[in-house]
Amino acid sequence: EAGVAQSPRYKIIEKRQSVAFWCNPISGHATLYWYQQILGQGPKLLIQFQNNGVVDDSQLPKDRFSAERLKGVDSTLKIQPAKLEDSAVYLCASSLDGGAYTDTQYFGPGTRLTVL
Amino acid sequence: DAKTTQPPSMDCAEGRAANLPCNHSTISGNEYVYWYRQIHSQGPQYIIHGLKNNETNEMASLIITEDRKSSTLILPHATLRDTAVYYCIVRVPQGGSEKLVFGKGTKLTVNP
Repeated sequence: EAGVAQSPRYKIIEKRQSVAFWCNPISGHATLYWYQQILGQGPKLLIQFQNNGVVDDSQLPKDRFSAERLKGVDSTLKIQPAKLEDSAVYLCASSLDGGAYTDTQYFGPGTRLTVL
Repeated sequence: DAKTTQPPSMDCAEGRAANLPCNHSTISGNEYVYWYRQIHSQGPQYIIHGLKNNETNEMASLIITEDRKSSTLILPHATLRDTAVYYCIVRVPQGGSEKLVFGKGTKLTVNP
């Protein structure tokens, strides 16, 4: 079974530029998550989709971050404009059914963003 | 905020058992304990989860105390490839979704 795919793996931009990350979840997984992981910390949930609807975006900085999952499959996370503090690894995860207590999340390899 | 406390780092000799502790004294009766690990430059990987009873799978064993206030993840025969950050997570109900809240985890180093 193919895992969660993410691209690009690495991205370097200057502050105030925009950037987009792409995620393709495991086939058949209804729930998709985006996490931000700053160096030395654990991942922090930014947004959770159930199919193409948002379940939780309470920690998404909506003035600069946006995410979409238009057809309920792959997803894009965008930052515009980027700040220095956005330097982090952005992880995508998917699960079969996010509403189930024992649902397991499977993570992609992440995109490492460096903002100069 | 994370609801668990873990030591920041641990060492283990290759071939020996690695016992990683986790305190979750405020856990509620219906909250599960999950363990994930993250090898350098990779995304987190699911290891095991449990509610009350001890659990075992091909990767590890999970021992949960009777009062459920702490647990221990056991890697029975640690290898160099088990060097990673191990996260103990209490799964938090969140408006119909059960989100994972990661702390800083324990950095396990397996030495040859």
